[in-house]
Amino acid sequence: QQQVKQSPQSLIVQKGGISIINCAYENTAFDYFPWYQQFPGKGPALLIAIRPDVSEKKEGRFTISFNKSAKQFSLHIMDSQPGDSATYFCAGMDSSYKLIFGSGTRLLVRP
Amino acid sequence: DTGVSQDPRHKITKRGQNVTFRCDPISEHNRLYWYRQTLGQGPEFLTYFQNEAQLEKSRLLSDRFSAERPKGSFSTLEIQRTEQGDSAMYLCASSLKTGLTDTQYFGPGTRLTVL
Repeated sequence: QQQVKQSPQSLIVQKGGISIINCAYENTAFDYFPWYQQFPGKGPALLIAIRPDVSEKKEGRFTISFNKSAKQFSLHIMDSQPGDSATYFCAGMDSSYKLIFGSGTRLLVRP
Repeated sequence: DTGVSQDPRHKITKRGQNVTFRCDPISEHNRLYWYRQTLGQGPEFLTYFQNEAQLEKSRLLSDRFSAERPKGSFSTLEIQRTEQGDSAMYLCASSLKTGLTDTQYFGPGTRLTVL
């Protein structure tokens, strides 16, 4: 099964707070885990990505934490800003290079 | 602009009509992907090309769907005899596989509405 489960479905955070989105995967053949950010009417844009040989990756305010044994990974957005309000998708890439996406998390950052 | 472009951005059609969408990948990207995204869901893989060769199709892609990438440059996705269930955003992505990296860059999508 190649499913990627994402939670929560929606998230409301105050400006300056930490946003946390979680994903779990089943396919142990996945070897690349990107996070995409999507604004209404736009295509997904790559935010940050990680490979399973690394437990954490940080780029600016965005951090991926990866737990290979639990087959889980999460996105942390530090100092969340209203401009971060968007839908976030986690994904896993399989051996044929197609991305299997989670169902998305709609983030709202209140001023 | 050097990103992935898609045309048209919006398409409204009547059930039973054929539609064709175009995707222009980032220059020199050898891989091109098509995904379908319905409201409130993540993109679902449809098919992909390495250069001009179509390497995989999803089971979602019925015989009404066909895709081409002549000469390994732009790609077209055609849906014949459209049904209301085909209403969705159709996304194109491209990548240049280098070593272990295959980062996919998405276009803005074509939103299809079937009446």
